[in-house]
Amino acid sequence: ILNVEQSPQSLHVQEGDSTNFTCSFPSSNFYALHWYRWETAKSPEALFVMTLNGDEKKKGRISATLNTKEGYSYLYIKGSQPEDSATYLCASINNAGNMLTFGGGTRLMVKP
Amino acid sequence: NAGVMQNPRHLVRRRGQEARLRCSPMKGHSHVYWYRQLPEEGLKFMVYLQKENIIDESGMPKERFSAEFPKEGPSILRIQQVVRGDSAAYFCASSPITGVASNEQFFGPGTRLTVL
Repeated sequence: ILNVEQSPQSLHVQEGDSTNFTCSFPSSNFYALHWYRWETAKSPEALFVMTLNGDEKKKGRISATLNTKEGYSYLYIKGSQPEDSATYLCASINNAGNMLTFGGGTRLMVKP
Repeated sequence: NAGVMQNPRHLVRRRGQEARLRCSPMKGHSHVYWYRQLPEEGLKFMVYLQKENIIDESGMPKERFSAEFPKEGPSILRIQQVVRGDSAAYFCASSPITGVASNEQFFGPGTRLTVL
């Protein structure tokens, strides 16, 4: 069983601030890390799938980095907007590529 | 292209009743996963199914819970003789392929089960 941890649990920022949060996971037997964005009352929506050490991915104002040797990934949001308010989940996937193990999520609230 | 559909969105049951949760995967997806979110906890894997087969049920409670994904129709998660501790949000996800670490799973909106 993989333990995936996320910090902080929640975060309040002002509109326009840039922010980042952390996902840590066991570095042994790493296969891939998934980031999801989850708005209240909606489905979790995939943001990134990261597989290689040093990977950097970007989608608009959101980007993520991956360090598989030390077992962490950072998610960055540049110039936060109220519509970025959501819970951001990371999940590690097992070697069969079928079971996601999720962290507890970081709940981001962006104040206008 | 419709996303993953789950119904009902909300389900209320009394202790001892049965709960049936349905999941229709995205078109073209033959792999279905069920996850559960207990109150104040994260999403936890329950079971992975392909058409007509259970592949991995390592996260499923041993008693009262069962899942199926028939050749025709949606996947069903069935909970018999529900207890208050079964109150949770149950999420279904689907994918077109599996066995690949970069396999993306597409999630439905969940069914919120409340046991009175």
